[in-house]
Amino acid sequence: RKEVEQDPGPFNVPEGATVAFNCTYSNSASQSFFWYRQDCRKEPKLLMSVYSSGNEDGRFTAQLNRASQYISLLIRDSKLSDSATYLCVVKNTGGFKTIFGAGTRLFVKA
Amino acid sequence: GAGVSQSPSNKVTEKGKDVELRCDPISGHTALYWYRQSLGQGLEFLIYFQGNSAPDKSGLPSDRFSAERTGGSVSTLTIQRTQQEDSAVYLCASSQGDRISEKLFFGSGTQLSVL
Repeated sequence: RKEVEQDPGPFNVPEGATVAFNCTYSNSASQSFFWYRQDCRKEPKLLMSVYSSGNEDGRFTAQLNRASQYISLLIRDSKLSDSATYLCVVKNTGGFKTIFGAGTRLFVKA
Repeated sequence: GAGVSQSPSNKVTEKGKDVELRCDPISGHTALYWYRQSLGQGLEFLIYFQGNSAPDKSGLPSDRFSAERTGGSVSTLTIQRTQQEDSAVYLCASSQGDRISEKLFFGSGTQLSVL
């Protein structure tokens, strides 16, 4: 079983739609959680951290459920520029090793 | 520069040759990671350096792969006797390293093509 699992998609949505991505992780000792965004042929960049209480950054909302070992990302009012691959990332204690999921591809169409 | 620098940006080599990939992390960052990304795939963890601690080599796919980090700064990933399946983008990332909540900063990667 992979340490971090994501639905690969692709998700094809129209502009203005709301879309949600899910991610599960296997190591219950994992301590920090993130969503990164990767554009085609570019390096990944941090989108947002994920906190236990849930957090919001504009149109983006991240949620963490430690009991279920589950992370989510919600994008509201999708824009064409949101088209990218979204990577779920987990950092473990005992050395801060950082593991990436395989990513979920999103295509937003006009 | 201010960011993570990787060289070369592209490397074409023949099967069986050795290659060295270089990463210059952000100055002062104690944590350094190497990942591999094949076309259309996610990031595969290879190796992780944290300060003066022994590196976490658990992701290296075979003994043909090795990495060093000299003086806690520059890192070199070496692939010996390259195979066609080694073709991928090799990404280096660094972080300040002393807090679990820190984000990673990535270089632009080295595109390795093994013919």
